[in-house]
Amino acid sequence: EIVMTQSPATLSVAPGERATLSCRASQSVSSNLAWYQQKPGQPPRLLVYGASTRATGIPARFSGSGSGTEFTLTITSLQSEDFAVYYCQQYNNWPPWTFGQGTKLEIK
Amino acid sequence: QEQLVESGGGVVQPGMSLRLSCAASGFTFSTHGMHWVRQSPGKGLEWVATISYDGKHKYYGDAVEGRFTISRDNSENRVSVQMNSLTTKDTAVYYCARKMEAYHCIGGSCPFDLWGQGALVTVSS
Repeated sequence: EIVMTQSPATLSVAPGERATLSCRASQSVSSNLAWYQQKPGQPPRLLVYGASTRATGIPARFSGSGSGTEFTLTITSLQSEDFAVYYCQQYNNWPPWTFGQGTKLEIK
Repeated sequence: QEQLVESGGGVVQPGMSLRLSCAASGFTFSTHGMHWVRQSPGKGLEWVATISYDGKHKYYGDAVEGRFTISRDNSENRVSVQMNSLTTKDTAVYYCARKMEAYHCIGGSCPFDLWGQGALVTVSS
């Protein structure tokens, strides 16, 4: 099973600033890495897949990068609606499909 | 509008059974693999089970193997999970999720691109 580790657990950033979230895989997942956003009381929403491709309707301020075992989600010019929990997920080696433990992005 | 709607959640006692269903609409259900993912209160996401587009292939997480059974009815655009021998550790919101269309993905490995709102299952005596 591939273990996904996200850092930091909580990230405090001011609106308008940039947020950088990290995700590490215990072994290579190639580019088969997705990022999801989850707000309280809502289901996860796909933001990025293939490590760097934005899903339909996702604003350009969200960008993903990386391959192999190291990945980054960058959110530029943070908006109020961006404060949420973010999960990475590998879908390269399955089953199981595995998620990171999440990074909570909070307002500074 | 593409949509997934779960139903069947509720409160059950340990050892009992429950069946969740997920109704799909707004897209061609029969061409998508489907997943169940759960989230325990205040916790992260845990993959539970998967069924291929044609129902021929099924996969289960270690925590539910032998107790949960996933199925689908393409004529009714519905995927279900039968949950038996429930324990308190199964308490969670259960989401159904759609596998992204394969042509978007590399080598057939795809993310989950559409999620339902979730169904709460509480196992308590």
